Amino acid sequence: SSELTQDPAVSVALGQTVRITCQGDSLRSYYASWYQQKPGQAPVLVIYGKNNRPSGIPDRFSGSSSGNTASLTITGAQAEDEADYYCNSRDSSGNHLRVFGGGTKLTVL
Amino acid sequence: QVQLVQSGAEVKKPGSSVKVSCKASGGTFSSYAISWVRQAPGQGLEWMGGIIPIFGTANYAQKFQGRVTITADESTSTAYMELSSLRSEDTAVYYCARDRMIVVEKEGYYFDYWGQGTLVTVSS
Repeated sequence: SSELTQDPAVSVALGQTVRITCQGDSLRSYYASWYQQKPGQAPVLVIYGKNNRPSGIPDRFSGSSSGNTASLTITGAQAEDEADYYCNSRDSSGNHLRVFGGGTKLTVL
Repeated sequence: QVQLVQSGAEVKKPGSSVKVSCKASGGTFSSYAISWVRQAPGQGLEWMGGIIPIFGTANYAQKFQGRVTITADESTSTAYMELSSLRSEDTAVYYCARDRMIVVEKEGYYFDYWGQGTLVTVSS
């Protein structure tokens, strides 16, 4: 399958922990990468590989993977984490294609 | 510091074509893949295709096969995305992004740098 499935919306109380998930067959073979996008801005990479954060991304962001599910965890969510989050992976069809999940709107209460 | 700078906004008529450019600086352009991603108003991200400039061959999402052409000019470190037979549903912000790979136990692909986006409006 070339699809990645995300919950459309998730909410978290300020300072609490939230997990955003991404499901798809390709995740059995490839790691997901995760992107944060705020209104009117280009996406920003927050997690890639097994659990790597680019320079400048706070350590409250972490990633994990099990079977066909990848997860992005925010430990101690902050108001500025409110955004859309997208997962992405290589397609499992055998070609070098990429696929995005539908995105999760994170609300910090 | 890698920068991807895209060309400016475009307004196009249905049935026409648009070509968006993405000029890279601060890195080794030829060695990395460049992908194109679009986002229609209020919608999610959609991968369109990508190219590794040093090889010159592109891969395209099935949805865009036959309508999109991605090319790269190593001499100017610029990638291009041309979309033809435009329709109103192609109105979107188009992004280029550097496409990389990491291998630790299994492969992982990611877009570490993004262009600022180019709004393409298709309207009669």
